[in-house]
Amino acid sequence: DTGVSQNPRHKITKRGQNVTFRCDPISEHNRLYWYRQTLGQGPEFLTYFQNEAQLEKSRLLSDRFSAERPKGSFSTLEIQRTEQGDSAMYLCASSLATASYNEQFFGPGTRLTVL
Amino acid sequence: GDSVTQMEGPVTLSEEAFLTINCTYTATGYPSLFWYVQYPGEGLQLLLKATKADDKGSNKGFEATYRKETTSFHLEKGSVQVSDSAVYFCALTEEKLTFGTGTRLTIIP
Repeated sequence: DTGVSQNPRHKITKRGQNVTFRCDPISEHNRLYWYRQTLGQGPEFLTYFQNEAQLEKSRLLSDRFSAERPKGSFSTLEIQRTEQGDSAMYLCASSLATASYNEQFFGPGTRLTVL
Repeated sequence: GDSVTQMEGPVTLSEEAFLTINCTYTATGYPSLFWYVQYPGEGLQLLLKATKADDKGSNKGFEATYRKETTSFHLEKGSVQVSDSAVYFCALTEEKLTFGTGTRLTIIP
């Protein structure tokens, strides 16, 4: 299967701990996105990369959040000093952006529970 | 900024009923419009798309037409099935995706 993969699928942590999630995009895709989805809501944009460059960050992305895509392939999203409000599904998507079109393909998500 | 307003749910219909889920948007440019579906326990899947005004997207019996004059992209299906039970998200993109809040659809036999 060559879709977007995310690991881990589930993470339970205690408040104050750091967590890191990984996303492996579809191999030829140059763009990679992170979204957060809370219960009963649509996904909200966090940040995106074109190749290894981080081009945009949402104001939702506080200083405790950092994302990297060091070689323009996989990406990691780290949350430091987790809070209960960080509990959500974290979604990764990738796309092969062209001038006129940008269809994003989503991974299964990582569900974070902060106790 | 860009935004998507989606019909509030949940929606419950009988099998073979006609479905409409309303979606309107606000955007500064000329976005592409999408409907995504999330089946129970699964990830987001693209259902259909339209990239410019008057385009009609269609898939699995679902249709939606990009209406620039009314800034709408309503989802329709003529005869729903139990297997269509899911959460449906309207979304637009210029660079990143902006989603609506989702509509949970339940089809009863």
